[in-house]
Amino acid sequence: NAGVTQTPKFQVLKTGQSMTLQCAQDMNHEYMSWYRQDPGMGLRLIHYSVGAGITDQGEVPNGYNVSRSTTEDFPLRLLSAAPSQTSVYFCASSYTPQQGSGSPLHFGNGTRLTVT
Amino acid sequence: EDKVVQSPLSLVVHEGDTVTLNCSYEVTNFRSLLWYKQEKKAPTFLFMLTSSGIEKKSGRLSSILDKKELFSILNITATQTGDSAVYLCAVGGFGNEKLTFGTGTRLTIIP
Repeated sequence: NAGVTQTPKFQVLKTGQSMTLQCAQDMNHEYMSWYRQDPGMGLRLIHYSVGAGITDQGEVPNGYNVSRSTTEDFPLRLLSAAPSQTSVYFCASSYTPQQGSGSPLHFGNGTRLTVT
Repeated sequence: EDKVVQSPLSLVVHEGDTVTLNCSYEVTNFRSLLWYKQEKKAPTFLFMLTSSGIEKKSGRLSSILDKKELFSILNITATQTGDSAVYLCAVGGFGNEKLTFGTGTRLTIIP
């Protein structure tokens, strides 16, 4: 009963380095998304996908890339890390792309990223 | 642009007290409002509300929606230390593939 699995749990990067945050779900959910959570800012949507091969930008997409080659996986790439990207990142999925319908988001346990 | 405002930002009460958390919203073509509880890690789903005046209950937690005044409340009665968490409110609209979250209310229960 894995649900949404994120790796790594913690990561420290130097400015300019790149990395990929992994997200996998085993619930056959169509919709997957990435949020970042910062103090006083709540959860902000970075990118989302309504199915394999389809991605779109959220509220704060700059500096991040995503792809969705399979239903299960939705990696988030930081191209050139900046201190402003220090945050906790959550991957979330749901059965239907229509948010606020009968299928609530299921969240992973998060990745805490620090960029120095 | 959709907007969710939660109040208070933080709340500290003693075990056994009753608390009310507030969520007001602005959203195009409102579909539903959701409440999540976030302890140390992942937010976990509590309630989804779509209709005014119908209370959703789960144990000591209950929530109700007012679509005319554009707000919802989350009540927790007989609070316990395990209720300490950040409570998040989110709204979704018809045809919208994005949820908009509020900044949350941090609830601390003192034994």
